[in-house]
Amino acid sequence: DAKTTQPPSMDCAEGRAANLPCNHSTISGNEYVYWYRQIHSQGPQYIIHGLKNNETNEMASLIITEDRKSSTLILPHATLRDTAVYYCIVSDRGETSGSRLTFGEGTQLTVNP
Amino acid sequence: DAGVIQSPRHEVTEMGQEVTLRCKPISGHDYLFWYRQTMMRGLELLIYFNNNVPIDDSGMPEDRFSAKMPNASFSTLKIQPSEPRDSAVYFCASSTDYEQYFGPGTRLTVT
Repeated sequence: DAKTTQPPSMDCAEGRAANLPCNHSTISGNEYVYWYRQIHSQGPQYIIHGLKNNETNEMASLIITEDRKSSTLILPHATLRDTAVYYCIVSDRGETSGSRLTFGEGTQLTVNP
Repeated sequence: DAGVIQSPRHEVTEMGQEVTLRCKPISGHDYLFWYRQTMMRGLELLIYFNNNVPIDDSGMPEDRFSAKMPNASFSTLKIQPSEPRDSAVYFCASSTDYEQYFGPGTRLTVT
């Protein structure tokens, strides 16, 4: 699986959009981009994933650049409960079962009141 | 559904003792994963099963670790003998498609 690079930490004001970047310059054509988050002391939680098109769900939006070398997770209206470590993961298992996930260090997002 | 259930939530044991961690996946999920999280190494995959069969155990650190899945609703991760460096939070996750559902974890402390 391709390696990802994320900033170690970011801050965001409550109610504003949080834009979390991820670099995956060695991604190959069959690899998907996944985002998970981990709120302190809890198990990781799936947020969203995509291959090359932008994706949106009730939690977030995922913007993948045309060359697929980077992506941005957008939380449109961040709340204090969004404070967590956000992991960007690249995996070739796509939408089949058994996606093997390799977690990096992630980005600690702190939402401030 | 109650989600992925792990027990115990906390375990404190002495070096050399056997430790057994338990996991009940979400009903209907055919994949089960065991992860370990430490400050030094982050979150790492130990082993995963498909339909109760181990598929990849390359992340299991050494022979002291073993995992079983006797049926679709139960899995165990055993450490024998335990060592202080095994202290970590152990997560179990299950899935049936692209999304993995994680349990609350078991915090293991080996003294």
